[in-house]
Amino acid sequence: EPEVTQTPSHQVTQMGQEVILRCVPISNHLYFYWYRQILGQKVEFLVSFYNNEISEKSEIFDDQFSVERPDGSNFTLKIRSTKLEDSAMYFCASSVWDYNEQFFGPGTRLTVL
Amino acid sequence: GESVGLHLPTLSVQEGDNSIINCAYSNSASDYFIWYKQESGKGPQFIIDIRSNMDKRQGQRVTVLLNKTVKHLSLQIAATQPGDSAVYFCAERKAGNQFYFGTGTSLTVIP
Repeated sequence: EPEVTQTPSHQVTQMGQEVILRCVPISNHLYFYWYRQILGQKVEFLVSFYNNEISEKSEIFDDQFSVERPDGSNFTLKIRSTKLEDSAMYFCASSVWDYNEQFFGPGTRLTVL
Repeated sequence: GESVGLHLPTLSVQEGDNSIINCAYSNSASDYFIWYKQESGKGPQFIIDIRSNMDKRQGQRVTVLLNKTVKHLSLQIAATQPGDSAVYFCAERKAGNQFYFGTGTSLTVIP
C-alpha cells in the first residue's frame, strides 16, 4: 500500500541553524501539507500546497518557514533559523483532492538545542 | 478565538462496548470534518470524514454524526476493541484549505 515517507526520523540541531525536513508524498496525490505537534499538544496546521504553490498557511508559518517541491517527488519544509520553540514532531500529509482523506507520514522529530 | 475542542480528554470503555467521542467546533463556515486516530509514536491516521452538507456518515464500525445547529461532531465506534486504544482527534477544514485539530481524546479499551 502506498505511504507517505519522511526523513530523517529525528533531527537534532542547534538554535539558529537551518533545517530541511523531507517528505515523499504518495505519487498520485495533488495536495500536500505540513503540520507540527509539540509534545503532548494538538496537531497544528502549518501550510497546504497545491499546483506548486502555497494555498493556505497558518500564522505559525512565518518568514522563517518555506516549502518546496523541487523535483515532482519530494516535498520539503525548511526552517531558516531554528528556535527552541520549533522543537516538535513535524508531519507531512498528502491527499488526492482537498476534500479527501489525508495520509500522514510517520513524522520527523525536530529537537532544537 | 476560533477553536476545535473536545469535551473529554480521556475515555475508558470495556471491550465490546460502543464508544462515543465528542467534539465541538466554533467556526460555522467550516465545510469538512475529519476524525483521526493517533497511536503512540505514529502520525494521525484517517478514520472517517463528513462534509457539512451531511449529518451522518458510516464506515466500518465507525459512524460520524454532525450537528451543525450546535456545532457538534461525534465519533461512534461499535464493539470497541483493544486495538482501538489511541488518541482521537477531530479536525475541521476552514476557509481555503486549512485544517484545525482539536486537543484529542485518549481512548482506553479495557479487556
